[in-house]
Amino acid sequence: NAGVTQTPKFQVLKTGQSMTLQCAQDMNHNSMYWYRQDPGMGLRLIYYSASEGTTDKGEVPNGYNVSRLNKREFSLRLESAAPSQTSVYFCASHGGSSGRREQYFGPGTRLTVT
Amino acid sequence: KNEVEQSPQNLTAQEGEFITINCSYSVGISALHWLQQHPGGGIVSLFMLSSGKKKHGRLIATINIQEKHSSLHITASHPRDSAVYICAVRGSSGDKLTFGTGTRLAVRP
Repeated sequence: NAGVTQTPKFQVLKTGQSMTLQCAQDMNHNSMYWYRQDPGMGLRLIYYSASEGTTDKGEVPNGYNVSRLNKREFSLRLESAAPSQTSVYFCASHGGSSGRREQYFGPGTRLTVT
Repeated sequence: KNEVEQSPQNLTAQEGEFITINCSYSVGISALHWLQQHPGGGIVSLFMLSSGKKKHGRLIATINIQEKHSSLHITASHPRDSAVYICAVRGSSGDKLTFGTGTRLAVRP
């Protein structure tokens, strides 16, 4: 099991450029999430997908779009990057089954927009 | 006021000390998570609680639903426990997590 994988790990963009962050999980989880983490603030939800074919806005969706391509993959797109989107982005999945660990996170993508 | 408050924000301990990190929340929840984030940035889920107490190794997590409060305890702390510990609550609908801002723990040898 690879768990939750994300690509790329690092990215530098110029203002106005676009890019897509990729996320995949191999645990057959229904729910997937995109968060951003900024210094001094907790993780904030950008978008989430409760199941294949559905997506919903989170706390900070402006400037982002998502696509739940299939049960495994959930991508995050920045159409026109802005310096305010400089952050660390985490993808996560949730399986809903019992056990000590239930929320699984990807390794993160460190994005800098200049 | 944030929905999830953690205390303390920063904590320094000597190796071997007993450590407590607190989390208070103000909304109805279906579960509470404790997460660990190491300096490398990766986030690992330590516990998911909906009632009572859970233990794994030197880590213990408790929750009091009536008081809307949870604690994470680390017994016999070790420098490798140095990390940011994050409390997160899952709302009653069960879909989304709301996160605290984390407690930065440094354990000195």
